Amino acid sequence: EPEVTQTPSHQVTQMGQEVILRCVPISNHLYFYWYRQILGQKVEFLVSFYNNEISEKSEIFDDQFSVERPDGSNFTLKIRSTKLEDSAMYFCASSGTPKNIQYFGAGTRLSVL
Amino acid sequence: TQLLEQSPQFLSIQEGENLTVYCNSSSVFSSLQWYRQEPGEGPVLLVTVVTGGEVKKLKRLTFQFGDARKDSSLHITAAQTGDTGLYLCAGATYSGGGADGLTFGKGTHLIIQP
Repeated sequence: EPEVTQTPSHQVTQMGQEVILRCVPISNHLYFYWYRQILGQKVEFLVSFYNNEISEKSEIFDDQFSVERPDGSNFTLKIRSTKLEDSAMYFCASSGTPKNIQYFGAGTRLSVL
Repeated sequence: TQLLEQSPQFLSIQEGENLTVYCNSSSVFSSLQWYRQEPGEGPVLLVTVVTGGEVKKLKRLTFQFGDARKDSSLHITAAQTGDTGLYLCAGATYSGGGADGLTFGKGTHLIIQP
């Protein structure tokens, strides 16, 4: 069964460093998303991407964040200068048709020290 | 800002009992998804409801979307220990042709005791 793949499963970084979280969405999907979940809190929407551009972004997705689809298979989330409060699980999701049915990856746990 | 309130937050019952968890909002959603999330993993989709009043069954799980598309419920019949987990509801609203993010509730932690 097709699935969303995320790497790495755990990323440890120093405050102020740049990190890139990687995702391989389901191959025939056209809509891509990033969410985050701080420990013990709810899943929060960050950004959505369609047709090679951002469709929607939340207040959390500030100038420190960027997304890219560098090739036909990968979808990345970059955090330019990590802060302690960026520590969270980051989930990638993708959807096809209908676009409201989103499938999630297993997540990347980001630990900022 | 759209909010989804889930209740109860925690529920512990004996195996074989029935239970219902709720997902409520003051906002109208185009569709509502129910996910199950295990510790350290991503949400796994259980069902999507789209039409007001819609009822969907998945074995012992029954999902209902409210007539006004503001609320939903998940009913489990004869709960089993394997049903233990975190159940999340998530709503979608459509803004046009692009990709629309989901609004998640905080979840219901369900424990089924043998």
